[in-house]
Amino acid sequence: GAVVSQHPSRVICKSGTSVKIECRSLDFQATTMFWYRQFPKQSLMLMATSNEGSKATYEQGVEKDKFLINHASLTLSTLTVTSAHPEDSSFYICSAKGTSGGRDEQYFGPGTRLTVT
Amino acid sequence: GENVEQHPSTLSVQEGDSAVIKCTYSDSASNYFPWYKQELGKRPQLIIDIRSNVGEKKDQRIAVTLNKTAKHFSLHITETQPEDSAVYFCAASIRSSSASKIIFGSGTRLSIRP
Repeated sequence: GAVVSQHPSRVICKSGTSVKIECRSLDFQATTMFWYRQFPKQSLMLMATSNEGSKATYEQGVEKDKFLINHASLTLSTLTVTSAHPEDSSFYICSAKGTSGGRDEQYFGPGTRLTVT
Repeated sequence: GENVEQHPSTLSVQEGDSAVIKCTYSDSASNYFPWYKQELGKRPQLIIDIRSNVGEKKDQRIAVTLNKTAKHFSLHITETQPEDSAVYFCAASIRSSSASKIIFGSGTRLSIRP
């Protein structure tokens, strides 16, 4: 149980275009989902927290107009990187918390590697 | 702001020896402390966690200790094996107005020498 998927696993896009990444909880309902970014050989940095049906809460320094997050249902959250630039190239990982079980445990998706050329 | 510090950044131990990774956290309200193992290009995997109502937890070769007064927690791996080589992250839960979120330490690259 507690499986989280992400799509796509890898994406290459041209500078200036937008890319959408999907995060799905497959076998549980996720009231809260989180988006992290990880640069090579660095830690996971929390970008934003999204609760189903409400606006995402962004961490300090993360541009909300550049990283659009939509958590439209209890099983799906999307991250759209708008007007992507090479410095946005990174490993993006989502995680989800369920409505039952451990209140604090988060379940991670497999990640999406974004390369902007 | 909320902060989780981790050290060492790299650690090399002889196979069979023990490895210890230490972390400190800043938010005294934190009450959940997971540890993750991450292999290259993959998602972090939860290997053990501890809640603030206990001081120690063990699972086979892995143990975690927590000192809430000092805001320290540590990961201990005994009888290390080559497959233990990976990057390890400590983390702490941080309460916010939107949700309880997990903040990661900077990571420790563990290498097991054969």
